[in-house]
Amino acid sequence: DAGITQSPRYKITETGRQVTLMCHQTWSHSYMFWYRQDLGHGLRLIYYSAAADITDKGEVPDGYVVSRSKTENFPLTLESATRSQTSVYFCASTPLRDRDGYTFGSGTRLTVV
Amino acid sequence: GENVEQHPSTLSVQEGDSAVIKCTYSDSASNYFPWYKQELGKRPQLIIDIRSNVGEKKDQRIAVTLNKTAKHFSLHITETQPEDSAVYFCAASAPGDKIIFGKGTRLHILP
Repeated sequence: DAGITQSPRYKITETGRQVTLMCHQTWSHSYMFWYRQDLGHGLRLIYYSAAADITDKGEVPDGYVVSRSKTENFPLTLESATRSQTSVYFCASTPLRDRDGYTFGSGTRLTVV
Repeated sequence: GENVEQHPSTLSVQEGDSAVIKCTYSDSASNYFPWYKQELGKRPQLIIDIRSNVGEKKDQRIAVTLNKTAKHFSLHITETQPEDSAVYFCAASAPGDKIIFGKGTRLHILP
């Protein structure tokens, strides 16, 4: 599972600041995803990407921006962080839609103060 | 869009007994249903999945059943052990290459 890594592992930021969470995978998987995990809400999809330069919104995209210029990287940016974005963020990847389960990164715990 | 409901939110069973977690989905076009286990402080990990052309799948003490007509699918864990304590998530495929998760079930195995 070391093939998908997230950084940083923990981050504290102030309201209004821009912060970028990184996700890198070494398998050349086509699909990559960003989820946030909050108590009582499970895992909610923020954005996903089917290939380099192809991204699409998930269930809760507001306040977030993504890019995918290279297959292996899928950074998630909070343009102006709010306290409601305090959460654990998971990146995931899979080679083919519906063919294999996702492999998740180890997560980033983000606190917005 | 796809909506996945999962019940119960918390489940406690005696060690050695069986546990059942149930999910429903809304999109009749969904054709892939994975289950994930998340231990405390760790990442979710795939434990079993089922596709719409199959009604049941087993892997040792874990089984998943799918009723496409009723849009229900369930996870069954037999002979539960302490290491089964975790949060379990069901999920269903949704249009546009994505998977939508249920809210999770926290399973406690009691000694």
